[in-house]
Amino acid sequence: GAVVSQHPSRVICKSGTSVKIECRSLDFQATTMFWYRQFPKQSLMLMATSNEGSKATYEQGVEKDKFLINHASLTLSTLTVTSAHPEDSSFYICSAVLDSWSSYEQYFGPGTRLTVT
Amino acid sequence: AQSVTQLDSQVPVFEEAPVELRCNYSSSVSVYLFWYVQYPNQGLQLLLKYLSGSTLVKGINGFEAEFNKSQTSFHLRKPSVHISDTAEYFCAVSTSSGFQKLVFGTGTRLLVSP
Repeated sequence: GAVVSQHPSRVICKSGTSVKIECRSLDFQATTMFWYRQFPKQSLMLMATSNEGSKATYEQGVEKDKFLINHASLTLSTLTVTSAHPEDSSFYICSAVLDSWSSYEQYFGPGTRLTVT
Repeated sequence: AQSVTQLDSQVPVFEEAPVELRCNYSSSVSVYLFWYVQYPNQGLQLLLKYLSGSTLVKGINGFEAEFNKSQTSFHLRKPSVHISDTAEYFCAVSTSSGFQKLVFGTGTRLLVSP
């Protein structure tokens, strides 16, 4: 149980275009999902917290107009990278929090490799 | 604010040898501690977690970790490693006030050779 999927797993796009990444909790509901980015050989950096039915909360330094997050249902959050540039190339990972009074665990998706040419 | 330090960026070890991956944290409030493993081009998988109770925590794949509050450490250990344990290991912390928000260390690459 507690499986999180991401789609696509890899995407290559041209500079200036927009890319949407989906994060789904397959067998549980998640009021809260998180979006991270990971540069090569570095740690995960939290970009934003996605809350179902409300606006996402962005970390300092993350452009909310560039990284659009929508959490329209309890099982789906999307991250749209708008007007992508080569410096946006990265590994994007989402996680979902299992809604349980005793659970403090995030379940991570397999990640999406974005390459902007 | 919380922070996590993983001093070793890479730990080489021979197969069947014991290993310890170090993690130290900084926080002014109570913390929850986690170790995750990441295989190439994959997401993170939880190895183990400390929320409360016994300071020795056992996880999957034969790993264990010990929470030491006085030394603010949460080192990960395995008595005998396998080639398949080669991966990136991340220590993470969250606080009781914002338990869902994880702060990650920079990771330690475990390289197991025959």
